[in-house]
Amino acid sequence: AQTVTQSQPEMSVQEAETVTLSCTYDTSESDYYLFWYKQPPSRQMILVIRQEAYKQQNATENRFSVNFQKAAKSFSLKISDSQLGDAAMYFCAYRSVSSGATNKLIFGTGTLLAVQP
Amino acid sequence: NAGVMQNPRHLVRRRGQEARLRCSPMKGHSHVYWYRQLPEEGLKFMVYLQKENIIDESGMPKERFSAEFPKEGPSILRIQQVVRGDSAAYFCASSPLPQGRAYEQYFGPGTRLTVT
Repeated sequence: AQTVTQSQPEMSVQEAETVTLSCTYDTSESDYYLFWYKQPPSRQMILVIRQEAYKQQNATENRFSVNFQKAAKSFSLKISDSQLGDAAMYFCAYRSVSSGATNKLIFGTGTLLAVQP
Repeated sequence: NAGVMQNPRHLVRRRGQEARLRCSPMKGHSHVYWYRQLPEEGLKFMVYLQKENIIDESGMPKERFSAEFPKEGPSILRIQQVVRGDSAAYFCASSPLPQGRAYEQYFGPGTRLTVT
């Protein structure tokens, strides 16, 4: 079974600085998706970024980018030029795309990011 | 295009009562997923449904919990005889019929269930 681990329960960053959130996962599959979701105090789950395992190029979305290390099973999120609105809980998630997979997302336990003005 | 709708947003039940949580997927989406988030934890998959069909219920507790997604109307997550441990946020997500590899699950705002 696949597992997702986020070893940083809390992180803090100064406004305008850069922060990296860590995520590791365990799987025997070679093809899958990885995601970062943001959950602000409103509790709405917002997709931040997605990475396809068969793509070597790291995904980027504006100030958000990932460092995907497939061999190491590592998937970290880098937030550049941090803004107050980035303060939230961040979840790393895995989804299998193998034949017979049921598309469910497997989430880590989350990292609470605080942004200091 | 309206997003995923969940109601109620907040639900308070006494121990032993029934809780019914509703989820209306995005227009055109025929797949619904339910996740539960216990306090201070990440989301845990419960069940995956297509219209009139349960595809994967591997995350559902064996007793008291059931889910349906009828041909017409919203998906319903039903919890019978609620206990304090059922207090959590319940999220619904929907996706279109998978076409190829890439499709997203879009989440609703969640229903926060409190059992007193």
